[in-house]
Amino acid sequence: DVKVTQSSRYLVKRTGEKVFLECVQDMDHENMFWYRQDPGLGLRLIYFSYDVKMKEKGDIPEGYSVSREKKERFSLILESASTNQTSMYLCAGKGGGLNYGYTFGSGTRLTVV
Amino acid sequence: AQSVTQLDSQVPVFEEAPVELRCNYSSSVSVYLFWYVQYPNQGLQLLLKYLSGSTLVESINGFEAEFNKSQTSFHLRKPSVHISDTAEYFCAVSFGGTSYGKLTFGQGTILTVHP
Repeated sequence: DVKVTQSSRYLVKRTGEKVFLECVQDMDHENMFWYRQDPGLGLRLIYFSYDVKMKEKGDIPEGYSVSREKKERFSLILESASTNQTSMYLCAGKGGGLNYGYTFGSGTRLTVV
Repeated sequence: AQSVTQLDSQVPVFEEAPVELRCNYSSSVSVYLFWYVQYPNQGLQLLLKYLSGSTLVESINGFEAEFNKSQTSFHLRKPSVHISDTAEYFCAVSFGGTSYGKLTFGQGTILTVHP
């Protein structure tokens, strides 16, 4: 399985700040994903990437952008943090072939004050 | 539109009772199906998955799920639950076609096992 590491477990940021959430995978896999998790809403896809410098919007991309300069690293960017972006953010990597499946990072709980 | 619905937001049961957590999806393309579990203050863990072959899949801790293509369902069952099964369970679907393998999740079901 892909191992996925998110750099921060908890973050507190101020409204209007630019926020970077980092995610690194330790395998040579093309597909990576950013989700946010909110009670009663499950996990919703923000952005995903299927190769270096390639990205696609998910279901709720507004207020977010992403960067994938190297295959192993996929960053989520909050251009100007707002209180409604307070949430749990989960990064995932996808393996293929016989090991088809998804591995999630442990999550970053972001609080915007 | 492709979507995933978990029919129960909360399921309370007593220890050693059977449980079923329901999941339905809407799609006309092929699917891969997953159940994830999230224990309090922990990350998502894969419980089981269906990719192909036998429509009945099992986990190592006694859960099983059956892919029913005609009903577009992937319900999760356990014949006898333990206190330690208390957690939130998520059904997820990877739809075929040009979805790049992205996962679509249900809203989650909180399973609470009472002594």
